[in-house]
Amino acid sequence: DGGITQSPKYLFRKEGQNVTLSCEQNLNHDAMYWYRQDPGQGLRLIYYSQIVNDFQKGDIAEGYSVSREKKESFPLTVTSAQKNPTAFYLCASSIYPAWTIIHEQYFGPGTRLTVT
Amino acid sequence: AQSVSQHNHHVILSEAASLELGCNYSYGGTVNLFWYVQYPGQHLQLLLKYFSGDPLVKGIKGFEAEFIKSKFSFNLRKPSVQWSDTAEYFCAVRGNDMRFGAGTRLTVKP
Repeated sequence: DGGITQSPKYLFRKEGQNVTLSCEQNLNHDAMYWYRQDPGQGLRLIYYSQIVNDFQKGDIAEGYSVSREKKESFPLTVTSAQKNPTAFYLCASSIYPAWTIIHEQYFGPGTRLTVT
Repeated sequence: AQSVSQHNHHVILSEAASLELGCNYSYGGTVNLFWYVQYPGQHLQLLLKYFSGDPLVKGIKGFEAEFIKSKFSFNLRKPSVQWSDTAEYFCAVRGNDMRFGAGTRLTVKP
């Protein structure tokens, strides 16, 4: 089955620890994205990557880092610098970058991160 | 960058009622418009999209949306909702980048 996988589904961390969220896609999509979903705020873009070894900051990149070493993988690290990390994190991909060619985004199931 | 506004945070309807969810955006240039749906426990998925042409767009499961350029709106409609339509609905607008609305939670009572 083609799609996007995110693991784990639930993640718990202590404050001050970095944590990495996994996102893998087998759709052969060029572009990948990380969003954060909070109640009443919709989806806010953290980072996106249009091609391997390149990525751009979104609206709320502070306290997060990413890498894109492989086309299929776009892991997100939530660092201790992120002031309010508890949230639902969604990974998405699209055939071509959404900013240039019109294709919809496909979303993974999400990871719910709780930091205490 | 553009912004997207969804007027209703939570809508509660009985089965067979008609649905209209509002979506307005602010952007002066050409836009592409999307409605996504997130059913309980499921992935966010595309409901319908508008790129160009006929401003009335039909999507899956009997949903449709109308792009009214003069009103900067892209409202989602369904003539008769079902209990299975209970979900959260997100409007998204691509102008110079991609923006999502805050979402509208729809609860359909059987």
